[in-house]
Amino acid sequence: EIVMTQSPATLSVSPGERASLSCRASQSVSSNLAWYQQKPGQAPRLLIYGASTRATGIPARFSGSGSGTEFTLTISSLQSEDFAVYYCQQYNNWPTFGGGTKVEIK
Amino acid sequence: EVQLVESGGDLVQPGGSLRLSCAASGFTFSSYSMNWVRQAPGKGLEWVSYISSSSSTIYYADSVKGRFTISRDNAKNSLYLQMNSLRDEDTAVYYCASGSYCTNGVCRPGDFDYWGQGTLVTVSS
Repeated sequence: EIVMTQSPATLSVSPGERASLSCRASQSVSSNLAWYQQKPGQAPRLLIYGASTRATGIPARFSGSGSGTEFTLTISSLQSEDFAVYYCQQYNNWPTFGGGTKVEIK
Repeated sequence: EVQLVESGGDLVQPGGSLRLSCAASGFTFSSYSMNWVRQAPGKGLEWVSYISSSSSTIYYADSVKGRFTISRDNAKNSLYLQMNSLRDEDTAVYYCASGSYCTNGVCRPGDFDYWGQGTLVTVSS
């Protein structure tokens, strides 16, 4: 099983600031990496797939980068609706998810 | 608009059974692979099972293999998960989600592009 590790567990950011979330895989997953946003009481929403391709309808302030074992989700200027939990997921092998990063208001 | 609506979640005793359903609309259901993904209360996400568009290919996570059965009825635009021999650790919100990753003509679970709202399964005595 490929273990996905996200850091930090919690990120405190002010609205309008930039946020960078990290995801590390225990072995290479190539570019087979997705990012999701989940708000309380809601289902996850796909943001990024293929490590860097935005899903349909996702604003340009969300961007993904990386390949192999190291990945980053960047939110260029945090809006109020962006405060949520973010998960990375690899699908190079049987799908596994990271433990999540909670982005909270500073 | 794509819609996935799960139902069937309930409180069940350990060792019991439950059948979840997922009704799809707003897209050509018969053309898409589908999955079940679960989330224990306050915890992260776990992929559970995958079924190809024609039901010819099915995969399960090791944690549910031999106990859960995924199926679909394309005529009814519906996905199902039959859960037997339920354990405490199966307690979770269960989501149906579309998505697959195909390479060299072989498809398997991939990223999950559309999700239902989830249905809660509680296993407790």
